[in-house]
Amino acid sequence: DIQMTQSPSSLAASVGDRVTITCRASQSISSYLNWYQQKPGKAPKVLIYTASTLQSGVPSRFSGSGSGTDFTLTISSLQPEDFATYYCQQSYSTPLTFGGGTKVEI
Amino acid sequence: ELQLVESGGGLVQPGRSLRLSCAASGFTFGDYAMSWVRQAPGKGLEWVGFIRSKAYGVTIEYAASVKGRFTISRDDSKSIAYLQMNSLKTEDTAVYYCTRGGSYYGWFDPWGQGTLVTVSS
Repeated sequence: DIQMTQSPSSLAASVGDRVTITCRASQSISSYLNWYQQKPGKAPKVLIYTASTLQSGVPSRFSGSGSGTDFTLTISSLQPEDFATYYCQQSYSTPLTFGGGTKVEI
Repeated sequence: ELQLVESGGGLVQPGRSLRLSCAASGFTFGDYAMSWVRQAPGKGLEWVGFIRSKAYGVTIEYAASVKGRFTISRDDSKSIAYLQMNSLKTEDTAVYYCTRGGSYYGWFDPWGQGTLVTVSS
């Protein structure tokens, strides 16, 4: 199974900050890495798919990069509505696996 | 509008069965793989399994934690996906989400609102 390791597990930031979350796969997954945002009590929603493609309707302050085993989600200027938990997920092979999540707090 | 609506969750005793349904609308259901993802209280996301479309042979894959106990199926004529859960364990307690896609090289979008399954005596 491919293990996905996110760091940090939580972070505190302020509105306007640049935030970077990393995700590392235990083996190469090419670019088959997706990022999701989840707010309390809500279903996750996809932000970025195949490492760097922004989902339609997602603000351009979100961006993704990386390939192989190391990936990054960047929020260029944190907004109040961005405080949430973020998950990475690999779709290279089954079992499909998620990272443990990164909680972004005020 | 793309929409997925789960139903069928509730409280069930260990060892019993439960069937979840996922009603889809706003897209051609038969063209897509459908997946189930769960989230235990206060925990992260765990993939349960997916069922591919007819174009890909309606193949099904499961997480090891549910293989042999859970069965995913689909009715393309009704645009509904199902998750039959047998021999339930307390560790199956979670919110279960239905989501479109999630097969190889894909992503999960959109997601249903989730339905809570509580396994307890």
